Amino acid sequence: QQQVKQSPQSLIVQKGGISIINCAYENTAFDYFPWYQQFPGKGPALLIAIRPDVSEKKEGRFTISFNKSAKQFSLHIMDSQPGDSATYFCAASMRANNLFFGTGTRLTVIP
Amino acid sequence: DAGVTQSPTHLIKTRGQQVTLRCSPKSGHDTVSWYQQALGQGPQFIFQYYEEEERQRGNFPDRFSGHQFPNYSSELNVNALLLGDSALYLCASSLSGTEETQYFGPGTRLLVL
Repeated sequence: QQQVKQSPQSLIVQKGGISIINCAYENTAFDYFPWYQQFPGKGPALLIAIRPDVSEKKEGRFTISFNKSAKQFSLHIMDSQPGDSATYFCAASMRANNLFFGTGTRLTVIP
Repeated sequence: DAGVTQSPTHLIKTRGQQVTLRCSPKSGHDTVSWYQQALGQGPQFIFQYYEEEERQRGNFPDRFSGHQFPNYSSELNVNALLLGDSALYLCASSLSGTEETQYFGPGTRLLVL
């Protein structure tokens, strides 16, 4: 059973546009929600993370929006650039234990 | 400040063989987790080591075993390799007692023929 569901599977955005990736979870014990960026042949790199006591967190062009009641969270990439083209994974964990990953979103930013 | 390192980068084995993958955690980290990432999928948790003990384990068979050394480095061993074990094996390190953000290494690409 997939603990974290992620959509869309792939996304194509024009340069300068906003990329939005959504995730949903069922386990209310999750208390940590990171997003990772992965380029081909590389390991995932932490982008930004949020805890459920906060509804939004922004770091540069990246924003996480968190809806605790709906058990959903999303990543917004503002002013998307070709260099942002990568696969993005949402994840969740409880009490600093192992991460449960979504299935990934392949983002392509067209120049 | 060295990040997480893994060796080897690539490995080719045949069915039935055994393999050992190695990981050195980020400086200052004491916890190592291993993940398996099949092509086109998200990483799946294998197990986590802390204080040289297996602290948690995911839904992987006993063919997958590990070890953590006093310097916090870790090994992942897989016995009786199957074709389905072909994947990118990722090591992540973290510091216990903190936010425990996990930082990933570049991975070892294992191909089983």
